[in-house]
Parts: sequence; C-alpha cells; structure tokens
Amino acid sequence: GENVEQHPSTLSVQEGDSAVIKCTYSDSASNYFPWYKQELGKGPQLIIDIRSNVGEKKDQRIAVTLNKTAKHFSLHITETQPEDSAVYFCAARVGGGADGLTFGKGTHLIIQP
Amino acid sequence: ETGVTQSPTHLIKTRGQQVTLRCSSQSGHNTVSWYQQALGQGPQFIFQYYREEENGRGNFPPRFSGLQFPNYSSELNVNALELDDSALYLCASSSQQGSYGYTFGSGTRLTVV
Repeated sequence: GENVEQHPSTLSVQEGDSAVIKCTYSDSASNYFPWYKQELGKGPQLIIDIRSNVGEKKDQRIAVTLNKTAKHFSLHITETQPEDSAVYFCAARVGGGADGLTFGKGTHLIIQP
Repeated sequence: ETGVTQSPTHLIKTRGQQVTLRCSSQSGHNTVSWYQQALGQGPQFIFQYYREEENGRGNFPPRFSGLQFPNYSSELNVNALELDDSALYLCASSSQQGSYGYTFGSGTRLTVV
C-alpha cells in the first residue's frame, strides 16, 4: 500500500519567516495530495490540496508544490504568524478514493515571537 | 452549513467491551470515512461508506465495523476492545464517492482500561 514520509517532525521558525514541510510518497498511482492543520483538541482542518495534474497551487500565504517524477510534495507557508503554530499533516490518496487517505506522521510547527 | 459532528467527545471503556461512536456528516456530503489517530501519529484509514455500503477498508480487523444511514450519518462499532484501541477516532465526510476535500470532525477520544 501507499506509504507517506514527512519531514521534519518539529520545525521552529521566527514569526515572519517562511516554513517548509516536505513529504514523499511511494505509490505512483497517488493522484490527490491534501495538507491538514490540526490544533490541540480539534480534528484536522484542510488548508490546501493539489491534484496530480497540477505542479503548484497557491492560496494567499500558503503554497503546495508537487514533483510527480520524484514523488514528493511540499507545503510552503510565508510570513508566518503565531496562529500558524499547530501540527501539520500531509496525505496522499491512490486512485478513486475508496482506499482513503494515507497520512504522514505530522510536523509540529512552532512560531517563535 | 453545519460541519461534521461526532459523539461522544470522550469515552472510557474496559478491555473486552464493545463501543459505538457516532458521526453526522456535513450538509450535502454523502460519503463518510473513519480514521484512528494514535497519540503523536497521523490518522489511519479504517473504512469508508457510500450509499450505506462499505466501499473501502484499511488494515483493520473485522471487529471494527460500521454503518451508514439514509441521512448519511454513520456509526463505528468496535468489539472486544483492546488496550491498543485507545486513540482519537475521526470521522470525515465528502460530497462524492472518492472525491476531494474531506471535512473532519473533532473526534471521539476513546480510552480503554
């Protein structure tokens, strides 16, 4: 089955700086790559996603890039703010979706004031 | 538009008992999937329901079962509880079978003692 690796496990950046989280996946049939933000005591919240026919997608301060050849995708957050502090998960889905999402182990992003 | 709601929020059960967790999908969503999230880990796919039928399953034993009702709400049942079943159980809904944009609930924290 699909396997998703996520790095780093913890990332500390100064407020206003950029943060980058990287994921690799194993199954070349994966075609959908969402990113979720999870705050303490809450469920994961979708922040951005990308499909396999697109190389890059941007939404205000958040962007995701996908390299299908290398089977990796990254989350970029610019101008980080204290409210960006949370655990971020990448995920991948194979085919039509009945297999569900395979998640990475998460990155704890800490924004230092 | 209401989001995904789950009940109860917390639950304590004894090893060997059975438990039922409930989920109401987001308005307009007809597909529901369940995930198990152990502490410090990413969510793991349990199964997915579409049109009241299970149409996808992760690597979980048969003692994990579910139902989906005509109003698209869903239940997760776990029999013969084990200590390792202690986790946050998340329900996610989407608008099409195997579509994009899964919306997660806040989860049910299950503790098995």
